[in-house]
Amino acid sequence: AQSVTQLGSHVSVSEGALVLLRCNYSSSVPPYLFWYVQYPNQGLQLLLKYTSAATLVKGINGFEAEFKKSETSFHLTKPSAHMSDAAEYFCAVSVTGGYQKVTFGTGTKLQVIP
Amino acid sequence: DAGVIQSPRHEVTEMGQEVTLRCKPISGHDYLFWYRQTMMRGLELLIYFNNNVPIDDSGMPEDRFSAKMPNASFSTLKIQPSEPRDSAVYFCASSLLGPNYGYTFGSGTRLTVV
Repeated sequence: AQSVTQLGSHVSVSEGALVLLRCNYSSSVPPYLFWYVQYPNQGLQLLLKYTSAATLVKGINGFEAEFKKSETSFHLTKPSAHMSDAAEYFCAVSVTGGYQKVTFGTGTKLQVIP
Repeated sequence: DAGVIQSPRHEVTEMGQEVTLRCKPISGHDYLFWYRQTMMRGLELLIYFNNNVPIDDSGMPEDRFSAKMPNASFSTLKIQPSEPRDSAVYFCASSLLGPNYGYTFGSGTRLTVV
């Protein structure tokens, strides 16, 4: 069965600083990987997804993530944090072929300090 | 497109009462998912449908929960009788091609059972 581990339930960064949210996955077959963002009192919104086409994936709002098979990682980054980036971020994994089921991580709350 | 529409946004009910949550997926999306989000358990997949047929209901907590999708544009999640531990945010999501291609979430229904 596939799983993801998000390191750090809370991350604080200063406005303008680099955002780095960590995600490691476990899967016995090639994975699909996702990052979702949840703003307060809203549903989750897809930021970006990795589906094996390219290891560096660019998403919305200036975010990107790099798939590193050797490290089983899919960390989310943004060069410069904005106040509007404050939200909760979820990493998720699914597997190619057969029965499709997405497993979500426990989430990381990003605080942006002015 | 109006996105995934859920109703009601908030529901407060007394223990033992029946609760019905409603969802209208994005037109043309063949997959519909019901998730529950709590602080303790995070995001849990309750059930999902493909072309109106339930595919996986292994996440439905117990017989008090039931879900239907009578047509491609409407689904319900019913809890009868409700209990305080059912208090959570319930999300509906839909997908065009399946979980591996990303979901679009609704804004959720915040259920409080007193």
